[in-house]
Amino acid sequence: KQEVTQIPAALSVPEGENLVLNCSFTDSAIYNLQWFRQDPGKGLTSLLLIQSSQREQTSGRLNASLDKSSGRSTLYIAASQPGDSATYLCAAGGTSYGKLTFGQGTILTVHP
Amino acid sequence: GAGVSQSPRYKVAKRGQDVALRCDPISGHVSLFWYQQALGQGPEFLTYFQNEAQLDKSGLPSDRFFAERPEGSVSTLKIQRTQQEDSAVYLCASSLAGGNTEAFFGQGTRLTVV
Repeated sequence: KQEVTQIPAALSVPEGENLVLNCSFTDSAIYNLQWFRQDPGKGLTSLLLIQSSQREQTSGRLNASLDKSSGRSTLYIAASQPGDSATYLCAAGGTSYGKLTFGQGTILTVHP
Repeated sequence: GAGVSQSPRYKVAKRGQDVALRCDPISGHVSLFWYQQALGQGPEFLTYFQNEAQLDKSGLPSDRFFAERPEGSVSTLKIQRTQQEDSAVYLCASSLAGGNTEAFFGQGTRLTVV
């Protein structure tokens, strides 16, 4: 059974810092790895999807990497802003139809 | 529609009551998923539909949970005889074809059982 772990559970940084969120998964037989953002009381917004054959994906200030063999993914946020404050979730896609196994999330606070 | 729509946004149910949660996926999306998110946790998979066929219901926690998608679009998650441990946010997601296509999530229904 796939297990996904995110470290740290919470992170508080001053505005402007570059930061890294970590995600690990136990079963390397994944189809993809996705990163989501969740704001309080809201649903999930997809940030990046890395297919199993890819090593990384970039979108604006966000960069996500995937190392399947070691069961790890990282989300790098450059020049953090207060608007980046949210919970970040990683999810391993383990089936051909897109079933996701989520980590418990990292709560990020960026203070001015 | 523009996105995945879920209703109601909030539901308070007395223990033992039956509830029905609705999900309107993005038009044309073949795949539909239900997830349960407990407070402070990541979402957990409940069930998956490909059009009207329920192909994976391995995450449904008990036989009190039932989901349907009779015409391959709108889906309903029904919980019978609700218990306090059913209190959670129920999230619906749809995708064009599953697999490596992006999943779009609704805002969820927050169920509180009192």
